[in-house]
Amino acid sequence: SQTIHQWPATLVQPVGSPLSLECTVEGTSNPNLYWYRQAAGRGLQLLFYSVGIGQISSEVPQNLSASRPQDRQFILSSKKLLLSDSGFYLCAWSLGQGTDTQYFGPGTRLTVL
Amino acid sequence: GDSVTQMEGPVTLSEEAFLTINCTYTATGYPSLFWYVQYPGEGLQLLLKATKADDKGSNKGFEATYRKETTSFHLEKGSVQVSDSAVYFCALSDGQAGTALIFGKGTTLSVSS
Repeated sequence: SQTIHQWPATLVQPVGSPLSLECTVEGTSNPNLYWYRQAAGRGLQLLFYSVGIGQISSEVPQNLSASRPQDRQFILSSKKLLLSDSGFYLCAWSLGQGTDTQYFGPGTRLTVL
Repeated sequence: GDSVTQMEGPVTLSEEAFLTINCTYTATGYPSLFWYVQYPGEGLQLLLKATKADDKGSNKGFEATYRKETTSFHLEKGSVQVSDSAVYFCALSDGQAGTALIFGKGTTLSVSS
């Protein structure tokens, strides 16, 4: 069966510091991968998605970037965090073809102080 | 563009009460519709889905029917339990793998014994 991991689970960072969040998927090949952000009291906003290694699409201009160095690894980064980057970051995966159902990881709670 | 509207929360019920959470959508074409549930501090779990008009998704006593004529996908459960307390998200997809889910803002359900 497929599983998705995210780490760290929680993170507290000062403004201006760098960020690296990691997501890995097990049990499937060539998944589509997604980064969402959930801000307090709001729904989920898609930040990036990837349909293959090195292929990244950005949905919203922001202070963040994403990379996919391996088939089942998706990384969310920032060079300098802003207060507004605080939130709950969720990684998700879906099969490459034939279905649009997305499965979510446990999330990373980021607080920028 | 596509959008999802959920009823405002929080919804507060006593154990064994009947639950309805309203969800309506706006979309071109024929989207797939989903309900996800988020327990405190966790990621999203797929609760149920429907891919075409008149389909009924069901899981763990929850049901939702895809109503194209009213563009709705209301979530129902006949008898809620304390363990159902969570945030519920309605979402749609345009049916293509590798594209974003469009989420509603979520409805918080609190069930007391």
